Amino acid sequence: GAVVSQHPSRVICKSGTSVKIECRSLDFQATTMFWYRQFPKQSLMLMATSNEGSKATYEQGVEKDKFLINHASLTLSTLTVTSAHPEDSSFYICSARDSLTGNTIYFGEGSWLTVV
Amino acid sequence: AQSVSQHNHHVILSEAASLELGCNYSYGGTVNLFWYVQYPGQHLQLLLKYFSGDPLVKGIKGFEAEFIKSKFSFNLRKPSVQWSDTAEYFCAVSPASGYNKLIFGAGTRLAVHP
Repeated sequence: GAVVSQHPSRVICKSGTSVKIECRSLDFQATTMFWYRQFPKQSLMLMATSNEGSKATYEQGVEKDKFLINHASLTLSTLTVTSAHPEDSSFYICSARDSLTGNTIYFGEGSWLTVV
Repeated sequence: AQSVSQHNHHVILSEAASLELGCNYSYGGTVNLFWYVQYPGQHLQLLLKYFSGDPLVKGIKGFEAEFIKSKFSFNLRKPSVQWSDTAEYFCAVSPASGYNKLIFGAGTRLAVHP
């Protein structure tokens, strides 16, 4: 079945550095991908909608200059956390919408980011 | 603003017990409703979804949910749980105008004891 892969699954970085998380749809094309953030014991919060070939749409309160999203191809979206701080430590999950069926969304396994 | 409320944050049951997880949403228009499950160490998986039609929706693994429009509710049920149902369950809503961004509830952790 359809699979969405995130990489890396876990990453530790130093404060002030940037880290990139990839989200790939492995066997389908995704014109739209979504990035969520999940704090411990809390729900998933939508950060942004990533559209292939165009700028991402950010939710209110999400800093677009800090969380850079690039959706350069139909199978890859990347989230770059720039100048990371410890409060950016979180679980980041992407999902991808199958462009062919139009109404099926698949989730990645998530990426744990720890900023030290 | 859209929001989803899950009433139970943590539920503990014995095998064969019946399960009902509450979910209420607030949204001014027509919505699509979903229940997702996240097993330990795994990614989110769709259990079931409601777009239109019969408000009683059957999903995988014996789960079902009933959409009650007047109550803005979409409760998840299973008549007899198994140990393998131990997971976190998320209710989510999206505007019916597009299968786009999902608004999630806080999740309910279910622990089923043998």
